[in-house]
Amino acid sequence: EVKLVESGGGLVQPGGSLRLSCAASGFTFSNYWMHWVRQAPGKGLVWVSRINSDASSTSYADSVKGRFTISRDNAKNTLFLQMNSLRAEDTAVYYCARSGYYLPFHNWGLGTLVTVSS
Amino acid sequence: IVMTQSPATLSVSPGERATLSCRASQSVRSNLAWYQQKPGQAPRLLIYGASTRATGIPARFSGSGSGTEFTLTISSLQSEDFAVYYCQQYDNWPPWTFGQGTKVDIK
Repeated sequence: EVKLVESGGGLVQPGGSLRLSCAASGFTFSNYWMHWVRQAPGKGLVWVSRINSDASSTSYADSVKGRFTISRDNAKNTLFLQMNSLRAEDTAVYYCARSGYYLPFHNWGLGTLVTVSS
Repeated sequence: IVMTQSPATLSVSPGERATLSCRASQSVRSNLAWYQQKPGQAPRLLIYGASTRATGIPARFSGSGSGTEFTLTISSLQSEDFAVYYCQQYDNWPPWTFGQGTKVDIK
């Protein structure tokens, strides 16, 4: 069974940093692209970032470019999102999701809540 | 690519048919997915390739369309189908873009 479990969310002040993790199991992690998608309270889904299977290529939404960094450790089956210079508008549930080249997001984690507030 | 869903809210009685629409601002070929999200839960993939049901998805869910116009049909709504539905294009990226969602609620 594919399982994705996010962690690392919490309350952080504006301008602060947070590192999210996503532990993967039930599939060959190193074969798949991984994404971060966020959802602000009461709002829709917004794609944040993507990393390919060997970490040689990454992509970011314009709203987070230069502030967020996606990475992965294929030996530990874990995806990361380093979030710096956090703003109130970054407040959201952050989901990790599995996909591939020209593939949809087949599997999602349960999400971790990030709240940016003073 | 901007994805536009309609209507924003659809009120349907159990057992009735629901038809949800999704329009892309430019062609996404058949690289279109539909997701279901219930309150407090993660999204779940329903349909990909515009018309292929994901594993374990009941046959009452069907998708159609290509290019810029897509439809998700739920043939006979069950109580567990009341949720928010999102379309997503994965043809022209980055970014991967979602529609704003259609909420299906009980009439």
